[in-house]
Amino acid sequence: QSALTQPRSVSGSPGQSVTISCTGSSSDVGSYRYVSWYQHHPDKAPKLIVYDVSKRPSGVPDRFSGSKSGNTASLTISGLQSEDEADYYCCSFAGSYTYVFGTGTKVTV
Amino acid sequence: QVHLVQSGAEMQKPGSSVKVSCQASGGTFHNFAFHWVRQAPAHGLEWLGGIIPLFGTTTYAPRLQGRVTITTDKSSTTAYLELNSLTVEDTAFYYCAYRARITRYYFESWGLGTLVTVSS
Repeated sequence: QSALTQPRSVSGSPGQSVTISCTGSSSDVGSYRYVSWYQHHPDKAPKLIVYDVSKRPSGVPDRFSGSKSGNTASLTISGLQSEDEADYYCCSFAGSYTYVFGTGTKVTV
Repeated sequence: QVHLVQSGAEMQKPGSSVKVSCQASGGTFHNFAFHWVRQAPAHGLEWLGGIIPLFGTTTYAPRLQGRVTITTDKSSTTAYLELNSLTVEDTAFYYCAYRARITRYYFESWGLGTLVTVSS
């Protein structure tokens, strides 16, 4: 069960868009529509921002959107804002009631 | 939204064990699950395992199998993570996470984390 692969960092200016990729395998991302994304600010609890590949919990701005193609899921943040600066992690159900997280991406605004 | 309160920081010696707790409130606790996730310094999040209190079933990350045990109390609103045979590589923030329904494959609520430091 290897960690999903994410870019170490991405950056953008306020108002721009950034996309974070999350590459797994046919055992996890490729087999299930159970990919979720979490935003993690230092010294805070991680926060769910996307679930089931592309759904957003109540209260999460529609600037955050998710998608998936094959073994790769993606998170796009449109209209970047300063408060979006954080670490972002993808997570996939991996069968047999197990989960695997991505390596994490630092977003700099 | 469910609120998760975790126990305080721990310092342990290599070879010993640690038990961390997570108390949930503010929700309905029937067909749900607790999970534990950790973050070591300069590392990403790592899923450790989970428990479905209704059935008492547990699943663990393969690389920790045999060293980790997840349980709940009788009320099923407090979860525990016990990790044995600690090494310095187990130094990390340990987070509990909550799934409101076992048919939901994502972690809706998280605790603030418990720092476990393993040092001689």
